[in-house]
Amino acid sequence: LAKTTQPISMDSYEGQEVNITCSHNNIATNDYITWYQQFPSQGPRFIIQGYKTKVTNEVASLFIPADRKSSTLSLPRVSLSDTAVYYCLVGVSTSGTYKYIFGTGTRLKVLA
Amino acid sequence: EAGVTQFPSHSVIEKGQTVTLRCDPISGHDNLYWYRRVMGKEIKFLLHFVKESKQDESGMPNNRFLAERTGGTYSTLKVQPAELEDSGVYFCASSQVRGEEGYTFGSGTRLTVV
Repeated sequence: LAKTTQPISMDSYEGQEVNITCSHNNIATNDYITWYQQFPSQGPRFIIQGYKTKVTNEVASLFIPADRKSSTLSLPRVSLSDTAVYYCLVGVSTSGTYKYIFGTGTRLKVLA
Repeated sequence: EAGVTQFPSHSVIEKGQTVTLRCDPISGHDNLYWYRRVMGKEIKFLLHFVKESKQDESGMPNNRFLAERTGGTYSTLKVQPAELEDSGVYFCASSQVRGEEGYTFGSGTRLTVV
């Protein structure tokens, strides 16, 4: 089963833009890509979801290339409170089995 | 609207004992998922219910794990007998329609087997 991979960690300073990429080679052709934020001792919290091209909401943007084998979460002007682990979630279809796979997670640390 | 509720939030049991985790999804959500994160590793899929039916249980690690969702409402995940490697955080999530909206996750149950 192909993994859905992300960088393990990233550091950034307050006010900077942060881009986190997730690679998902076996993504299903007809499903969404979703990103979550997780703080310690809490469940993952929905950030943004998209199918292709670009999606933007009040907290983030999501860039998805035409082949959909990767996606990039963009956080504009991060603050200290954005320090968390970020996960992508994709539907994967392999050998006739369909399931949702979380990415390996990226630990973002925002510095003052 | 109440979110996804999981109980207990933390459980410490001895190897060989039985533990039952409970998940109450958002009312009206037909899809219910269980995930697990073992320390230091990524979150892994366990199984997916659509109402009371198991849609996909391919992620269940072995037959010591039993999930049920009687009546299509809350779900339980029983581990019997528990082993040390079962320690981790068990997340439940629910959604109304698969893929068309983000899932709502519970806060998780942290299971420690000693």
